[in-house]
Amino acid sequence: DQQVKQNSPSLSVQEGRISILNCDYTNSMFDYFLWYKKYPAEGPTFLISISSIKDKNEDGRFTVFLNKSAKHLSLHIVPSQPGDSAVYFCAASVVQKLVFGQGTRLTINP
Amino acid sequence: NAGVTQTPKFRVLKTGQSMTLLCAQDMNHEYMYWYRQDPGMGLRLIHYSVGEGTTAKGEVPDGYNVSRLKKQNFLLGLESAAPSQTSVYFCASRPQMSWDNEQFFGPGTRLTVL
Repeated sequence: DQQVKQNSPSLSVQEGRISILNCDYTNSMFDYFLWYKKYPAEGPTFLISISSIKDKNEDGRFTVFLNKSAKHLSLHIVPSQPGDSAVYFCAASVVQKLVFGQGTRLTINP
Repeated sequence: NAGVTQTPKFRVLKTGQSMTLLCAQDMNHEYMYWYRQDPGMGLRLIHYSVGEGTTAKGEVPDGYNVSRLKKQNFLLGLESAAPSQTSVYFCASRPQMSWDNEQFFGPGTRLTVL
């Protein structure tokens, strides 16, 4: 069973606009949620995280929102830039491990 | 600091051949992980280690073995490669004390099994 799901395989956004990437989860025991960004032929790099006891965390252009009742989190990127084009993975932390979603490919159009 | 490095970057195997992927980290991290990434599947955990001399199974361990003889190295072995093991393999590490479980990833090894 897929405990962490990213239901949108791809997303296309115009440069300067807001990008919103979504993630759903099923396990209430997850204690932290993380977003990773991945460029082709590179390893994933950490972007931002949020504790399960928070509902928002912000870091520059990136904001993550957590809705525990809906078991849903989202990553907002404002404003979107061409360098943001990448695959974004949502991950959830439990014990010593991370469980990853399938990823969403974000394309920023000029 | 080189961070997390993986050797080799690319490899092509024939069915039934064996090989070992090497992961090394210079951050003195206690925890190390091996993942595989397949299209539409995200990253799936194969095996992990919480310290030198320890290993544990992840979500998809079948067909793989691991060893952590030194703290800085984590080896992933394929004893008899199968086409289903064609994938991109990522190694990751993290310190024992990590408030959000952030893991640091290597650049990956692209493996093709014919």
